[in-house]
Formats: sequence, structure tokens, C-alpha cells
Amino acid sequence: SQKIEQNSEALNIQEGKTATLTCNYTNYSPAYLQWYRQDPGRGPVFLLLIRENEKEKRKERLKVTFDTTLKQSLFHITASQPADSATYLCALVQTYNAGNNRKLIWGLGTSLAVNP
Amino acid sequence: SAVISQKPSRDICQRGTSLTIQCQVDSQVTMMFWYRQQPGQSLTLIATANQGSEATYESGFVIDKFPISRPNLTFSTLTVSNMSPEDSSIYLCSVVGGASYEQYFGPGTRLTVT
Repeated sequence: SQKIEQNSEALNIQEGKTATLTCNYTNYSPAYLQWYRQDPGRGPVFLLLIRENEKEKRKERLKVTFDTTLKQSLFHITASQPADSATYLCALVQTYNAGNNRKLIWGLGTSLAVNP
Repeated sequence: SAVISQKPSRDICQRGTSLTIQCQVDSQVTMMFWYRQQPGQSLTLIATANQGSEATYESGFVIDKFPISRPNLTFSTLTVSNMSPEDSSIYLCSVVGGASYEQYFGPGTRLTVT
């Protein structure tokens, strides 16, 4: 079955720098891969997704890349701010029951701390 | 995106008791999902709740332990039955927001079993 690996070590960066988080998956390339933000004591919040035929997707200061050869997605936050401090989760859609059902498979998430 | 509320936000319960968690969505949705998030672990899907039919449970989760109700298109409940300390976790409900299966979550219920 599909597995997702995210860097378990917390990432600490200085305000204004670019944060880069990694998401690796093990099996087939999903049709799309999603990124979420989760703050302590809150549910995950959907940020953006990228499809398998897209190399890169941008939304404001966020950029996601998708490399199906490496089986990897990178999530970038440019000009990072202390308010970006949170845990970032990667998820992909897994189909089963001959494609009749879908569910999200989640990574553990990477904790990001942006220091002022 | 949907706005989702959950009640209670947190609770401390004794071993052997049951807790029912409510999830309310501000729009009608076909599918609602219940997840568990234990410390140091990824989000794990418990079950998918469709209105008008039995919930579909993932491997490792059974209806006797986690009964789910879905009386209408905006509401669902998850009961954690005969609780043990291993059930201490955050429980989250979610709905699908679009064709790409992105999901929108409630704020979660933090359950501690003593």
C-alpha cells in the first residue's frame, strides 16, 4: 500500500528565508498530491494541491513541485514569517475497490518554526 | 469551503464509559469522514459516513467500538465506546471540498481517557 514520508525533524528557519519541506511516497504516483497546514489544537487546513501532470503550482508565497520520477513533492514558503510556524502535512489520494472508493493517505507532517 | 463545528472540543473520560462527538456542517454534503490523530502518528481514517446508509469502516476499526450516525446531510456523530486509555486522541470530522478530494476539517475533539 501507499506510504508517505515527511521529514520528522522540525525545521527552524529565520524570518524572510525560504522554507522547503519534503514529501516522498513509495508506490504509484497519485493523480494529485495535497498539502495542509495544522496549528496546535486545530484541524488541518487545506492549502493547495498539485496534479501529476503539473510540475509546479503557486499560490501567493507558496509553491509546490511534483516530481513523479523521484516520487517526491517539495513545498516552499518564500519570505517566511513567524505566522507561518505550524505543522505541514502532505496527503495523497488512494483508490481502492476497483477505483470505486477513495481515501486520503497522510504523512506525519513536518513542524516548521520561523524565528523573528 | 465548508464550515465545520465539533462538540465537545475536549473531554476527560473514565475508562469503560462512552463519549459521543457531534459534527455539524454548514452545507449539505454526501460524505463525511471521521479521523483519529494520536500523538506522533499520522491522521488515520476511522470511517466514511454516508447519509442513508451504514458507515464504511477502515481496517482496524469496528462498528461496535465506533458507532456512527448520519441522520441528515449536515450532521454526524461518532461514539467512542467502552473507552480505554489507548483511545486518548484527537478525533476529527471532515468533508470533501472538491473534485480533487481536498478535505475540510472541523476543529477536532481532544479526548483523554483516564
